[in-house]
Amino acid sequence: ETGVTQTPRHLVMGMTNKKSLKCEQHLGHNAMYWYKQSAKKPLELMFVYSLEERVENNSVPSRFSPECPNSSHLFLHLHTLQPEDSALYLCASSQQPYQETQYFGPGTRLLVL
Amino acid sequence: KQEVTQIPAALSVPEGENLVLNCSFTDSAIYNLQWFRQDPGKGLTSLLLIQSSQREQTSGRLNASLDKSSGRSTLYIAASQPGDSATYLCAVKSNAGNNRKLIWGLGTSLAVNP
Repeated sequence: ETGVTQTPRHLVMGMTNKKSLKCEQHLGHNAMYWYKQSAKKPLELMFVYSLEERVENNSVPSRFSPECPNSSHLFLHLHTLQPEDSALYLCASSQQPYQETQYFGPGTRLLVL
Repeated sequence: KQEVTQIPAALSVPEGENLVLNCSFTDSAIYNLQWFRQDPGKGLTSLLLIQSSQREQTSGRLNASLDKSSGRSTLYIAASQPGDSATYLCAVKSNAGNNRKLIWGLGTSLAVNP
């Protein structure tokens, strides 16, 4: 067990739905990340949070809205998604931002219909 | 712009074989390079981290080498086992400017057959 949990593990949603992905880390880390993993594409870093403050937003569409209420929890709120947003969404944490030693959760497999 | 390429995209071998996975990067100004393993339905696990000043790192049956000048790294797996079946990802951290992100390859999907 990596110490990073994600729920739900699988999600199917329509383009008009609103849903949220949740990530929790039990490692006492200060930094948390959202990544998108699509078929045939490298991992894409979406957001980085350091002590609940967003430090990076990689030109992610506004239909993805992150929230970090405390250093152990990270959410990704989804609304009016497109089919091309279907992917595996991975959460990770590290002791400090941008450290190489990142611990990943198992991911949420998202399908947008 | 740094780009990371992994060859082959997929590999299937019989149990017991020694094998080599390749990773190449276009900009040799890297801070470090890391190999990860990803199992289906699970997240990524870091296997080996090589700093730019190092030539190789070893962990059990795994050995990773780094040749910065040629922009290449290899992951050597000795005496492969079915439990080694997974996708192996390579990621580099650039040494240039304020770029702090990891740049990822697409991975090599490995199947070790009993």
